[in-house]
Amino acid sequence: NAGVTQTPKFRVLKTGQSMTLLCAQDMNHEYMYWYRQDPGMGLRLIHYSVGEGTTAKGEVPDGYNVSRLKKQNFLLGLESAAPSQTSVYFCASSYSRLAVSTGELFFGEGSRLTVL
Amino acid sequence: KQEVTQIPAALSVPEGENLVLNCSFTDSAIYNLQWFRQDPGKGLTSLLLIQSSQREQTSGRLNASLDKSSGRSTLYIAASQPGDSATYLCAVLSGSARQLTFGSGTQLTVLP
Repeated sequence: NAGVTQTPKFRVLKTGQSMTLLCAQDMNHEYMYWYRQDPGMGLRLIHYSVGEGTTAKGEVPDGYNVSRLKKQNFLLGLESAAPSQTSVYFCASSYSRLAVSTGELFFGEGSRLTVL
Repeated sequence: KQEVTQIPAALSVPEGENLVLNCSFTDSAIYNLQWFRQDPGKGLTSLLLIQSSQREQTSGRLNASLDKSSGRSTLYIAASQPGDSATYLCAVLSGSARQLTFGSGTQLTVLP
C-alpha cells in the first residue's frame, strides 16, 4: 500500500531553471494538496485540488503552477526557480472535505528542493 | 487570517519526564485541531484530532486538550521515551474553505 508518493525526493536547481514535482496517490482520493515547509514557518498551502481537472490557489501560490489531469496525480511546477523557493515540499491527499474534518489526511514524505 | 503559534520551538528533557507542548491560535472559529508528529526526513503522521465540540482526546501516553474560547491546546506526553523524539506540529481546520493552518512545530528531544 503505497499511499502518497512524491518524486523526486531531492533536487538541486539553478536560478531560472524549471522543474516539476509529482505527487501520486493510490487511495482514490478526491482532494490533493501541495504545501511547503520552511524553518520556523510551519507548513503553508501552495495550491490544492478538489477533483480531477480542478485546481485552486492556497496561501502562497506565486511562482508555482499545478495540474490535475488524472485523479491520482497532482503536479507542482516551478517555471523559473528562485532561491526563495528553496524548501521542503509536501503533498497530501484526502477522500473528501468531510474526511479532512475527521483527520483523514495523508502526507507524502516530502521533496527537498534547493535553488542555487 | 488564522495564525497558529507553538511554544517552545525546541525542548530537551530526560527520559521518563512528563511534558507539555503548547499551541495557540488566533481565530476560535475552528472545526477541529490536530496534533501531528514529524520525524526527520519523513512526512506528517496524525496523532490526535479534537473536534471543536470536544475538550480532550487521549491515545496511549498522549493527551491533547482544547480550550477553544481561549484559543489554546496542549499536548501532554506522559513518561517520555527517546522514541518520542520528533517535531510535533499542531494544525487547526478553519474557514469556509476548510483549510489547515499549521504551527511551526516544537522539536522534542528525549535524552536516554
